Amino acid sequence: EPEVTQTPSHQVTQMGQEVILRCVPISNHLYFYWYRQILGQKVEFLVSFYNNEISEKSEIFDDQFSVERPDGSNFTLKIRSTKLEDSAMYFCASSVRRLNTEAFFGQGTRLTVV
Amino acid sequence: GESVGLHLPTLSVQEGDNSIINCAYSNSASDYFIWYKQESGKGPQFIIDIRSNMDKRQGQRVTVLLNKTVKHLSLQIAATQPGDSAVYFCAENMDSGGYQKVTFGIGTKLQVIP
Repeated sequence: EPEVTQTPSHQVTQMGQEVILRCVPISNHLYFYWYRQILGQKVEFLVSFYNNEISEKSEIFDDQFSVERPDGSNFTLKIRSTKLEDSAMYFCASSVRRLNTEAFFGQGTRLTVV
Repeated sequence: GESVGLHLPTLSVQEGDNSIINCAYSNSASDYFIWYKQESGKGPQFIIDIRSNMDKRQGQRVTVLLNKTVKHLSLQIAATQPGDSAVYFCAENMDSGGYQKVTFGIGTKLQVIP
């Protein structure tokens, strides 16, 4: 069964450092998403991406965040200068159609900012 | 404040019994409602969704009921199995002017007692 894969599974970084979280969406999917889940809290939408550009983003997705699809398979989330409050589980998802209710999620990357 | 929330943080059910997980929402403009299952250490997994113009939808062993009058959503799992143990959370999706906004609830932990 096709799946969304994310690397690394756990990333520890110092405050102020840049991190790049990587995702390989399902190959025939066209829409890509990033979500985050702070420990013990609800999942929050960050951004959606289609046709090599951001289609939607939430208020969380500020100038410190960026996304990129550098080649035909990877989809990355970059945080330029990490803050303690960026510590969370970050989930990548992809879908065939625009309706994100049908998205498949990866297993997540746990980001710990120290 | 949150527009989506769950009444019960933890639900313990005997194996073989039916489970009912509830969710309240506040945005009457939402188009879709979705139930996700999240097992420990994994990303959310889509279970079932329902359009706002429906009041019931059935899947394999699961049924989602939507009561728009009281803005209530429920997930019924028939013949609950140990593999159903997970956190279940609902989400509402609003498609507004070509943009989608998805809001997640916190979740209910379902514990299946063998």
